[in-house]
Amino acid sequence: TQLLEQSPQFLSIQEGENLTVYCNSSSVFSSLQWYRQEPGEGPVLLVTVVTGGEVKKLKRLTFQFGDARKDSSLHITAAQPGDTGLYLCAGAWNAGKSTFGDGTTLTVKP
Amino acid sequence: EAGVVQSPRYKIIEKKQPVAFWCNPISGHNTLYWYLQNLGQGPELLIRYENEEAVDDSQLPKDRFSAERLKGVDSTLKIQPAELGDSAVYLCASSSDTDTQYFGPGTRLTVL
Repeated sequence: TQLLEQSPQFLSIQEGENLTVYCNSSSVFSSLQWYRQEPGEGPVLLVTVVTGGEVKKLKRLTFQFGDARKDSSLHITAAQPGDTGLYLCAGAWNAGKSTFGDGTTLTVKP
Repeated sequence: EAGVVQSPRYKIIEKKQPVAFWCNPISGHNTLYWYLQNLGQGPELLIRYENEEAVDDSQLPKDRFSAERLKGVDSTLKIQPAELGDSAVYLCASSSDTDTQYFGPGTRLTVL
């Protein structure tokens, strides 16, 4: 079974600070997804990365897929309280199979 | 376009009672997933359907859990009888022929 480890597990920062969260594995994935989940809701897709070394930007969020397609990072610039939530990564392999990390709980204080 | 619909949103039952959850995926999505999510953890796959066929149910506790997707569209997940440890959020997701999954809001189950 492919495992994904996310770090840190919890992160509490002040509004305006930058942060990076990580998603690591010893397994190779065909693609990797990042989701954000708010309390009482299902995960909402932020981005899918497919190519090793790929970098995608979504406003203040920057996602990078490792060259070997085993790891990924999410960088948030100038965090805002609205960024608060659980950030989940999910790695896909063998068409249709995915595994999720346990997430990073981010709290951005005003 | 409507997203994944789940009902009910919340359910409180006593242990040993049965419970059922319903999911309607995004129109045209042939793959449907049921996940269990405990507080502070990521979703754990229970079962995955390709159309009406269950292609991965290796993590489904078959002694008490069952699922069906008879016409390859909506799906029902059942627990009978429920145990205290089944308290969790049950998520449904769907996808087309890509790896990207789209989630419903989940059903929060509390077993007393």
